[in-house]
Amino acid sequence: DTGVSQNPRHKITKRGQNVTFRCDPISEHNRLYWYRQTLGQGPEFLTYFQNEAQLEKSRLLSDRFSAERPKGSFSTLEIQRTEQGDSAMYLCASSLLTGETQYFGPGTRLLVL
Amino acid sequence: KNEVEQSPQNLTAQEGEFITINCSYSVGISALHWLQQHPGGGIVSLFMLSSGKKKHGRLIATINIQEKHSSLHITASHPRDSAVYICAAPYSGGGADGLTFGKGTHLIIQP
Repeated sequence: DTGVSQNPRHKITKRGQNVTFRCDPISEHNRLYWYRQTLGQGPEFLTYFQNEAQLEKSRLLSDRFSAERPKGSFSTLEIQRTEQGDSAMYLCASSLLTGETQYFGPGTRLLVL
Repeated sequence: KNEVEQSPQNLTAQEGEFITINCSYSVGISALHWLQQHPGGGIVSLFMLSSGKKKHGRLIATINIQEKHSSLHITASHPRDSAVYICAAPYSGGGADGLTFGKGTHLIIQP
């Protein structure tokens, strides 16, 4: 247990539905990252926050994806109008400062039917 | 965007063998990460290094910043070392952002 928690751990939804995932980082960590991992592949960067500010988004983060970290603590990742291609493990990580070791949560596994 | 390449993709070895996994990246960075992922399990950070060499138990990581290359070595390998090993570099170079990952090396150590 790294101290980073994610909920839910598993989510099954039908295509077209909206889903929201939550990440609770280690409490004093300023940086929070979202990644996506598909089967057999390494994780892919989605976005990251410095406190409540979203500083970078990859091109993987389409208009259907939105992430927030309203109070600089927990973060949510919402996917609207889910597609089968969104099926993946969504990973959250946090770090104390820029360039520091990232601590990963257990992930939320999403299956879109 | 930084491109990270790892080799080999799959590696099977006998217990006790010396293991080497290689990683190269395309954009200059301040630090490179090595991580471990067990099947169905979470990701654990093993090393973050910006120069030279780091050692933790039987694991050794080296980096050559000029060559944009890093290696992870496992000495006296054991079946419990079986896992996916992933190297990762800052997404846009430098260090102030998320990571871009290699595809991982699936290591199996047979007793």
